[in-house]
Amino acid sequence: AQSVTQLGSHVSVSEGALVLLRCNYSSSVPPYLFWYVQYPNQGLQLLLKYTTGATLVKGINGFEAEFKKSETSFHLTKPSAHMSDAAEYFCAVSYGGATNKLIFGTGTLLAVQP
Amino acid sequence: GAGVSQSPSNKVTEKGKDVELRCDPISGHTALYWYRQSLGQGLEFLIYFQGNSAPDKSGLPSDRFSAERTGGSVSTLTIQRTQQEDSAVYLCASSFRQGAHEQYFGPGTRLTVT
Repeated sequence: AQSVTQLGSHVSVSEGALVLLRCNYSSSVPPYLFWYVQYPNQGLQLLLKYTTGATLVKGINGFEAEFKKSETSFHLTKPSAHMSDAAEYFCAVSYGGATNKLIFGTGTLLAVQP
Repeated sequence: GAGVSQSPSNKVTEKGKDVELRCDPISGHTALYWYRQSLGQGLEFLIYFQGNSAPDKSGLPSDRFSAERTGGSVSTLTIQRTQQEDSAVYLCASSFRQGAHEQYFGPGTRLTVT
């Protein structure tokens, strides 16, 4: 079965430091890839997505992610963390087709220390 | 424009009671999804609507769960004879059309079964 693995359920960085959140998927067919962010008591907001084309995608709030087919990875990065980045981040995949339902990773809670 | 809305935002119910959760998708979005977010299971797909039809109900956990969509717009998720394990946040998402990659999420309904 297809699955998504996010390494590290909790990540803590200092303000201004690099943010790196890891995501790997398991399938032989490259999926569509997404990163969503969830702030407390809110729904999910799309940060960025990869469907086709350039493998380095830029999203909102200064985040970007690179699709690496050979590593089946889609890690999320931001050069300099801000306090407002503290939230939970979810990696998700879909395989298109008739449903296009999302399969989510277990999430990574990002804490930003002053 | 208005985003996806869900009501109620919070619902506390006694075990054995029936509950209805409502989702208003973004106007013009033909695809609608229900997901469940719980501590034990993470984020999981429940059901997908295209228009008023539900071609994928594979995520509904039991026959106590049902959903409908009317007028290609509002959807209702019904849980009969609620159990404590049904306690979760129920998220609704919509997208512009079948196969469209971006899903827009509502704020969710937090269901607590006592």
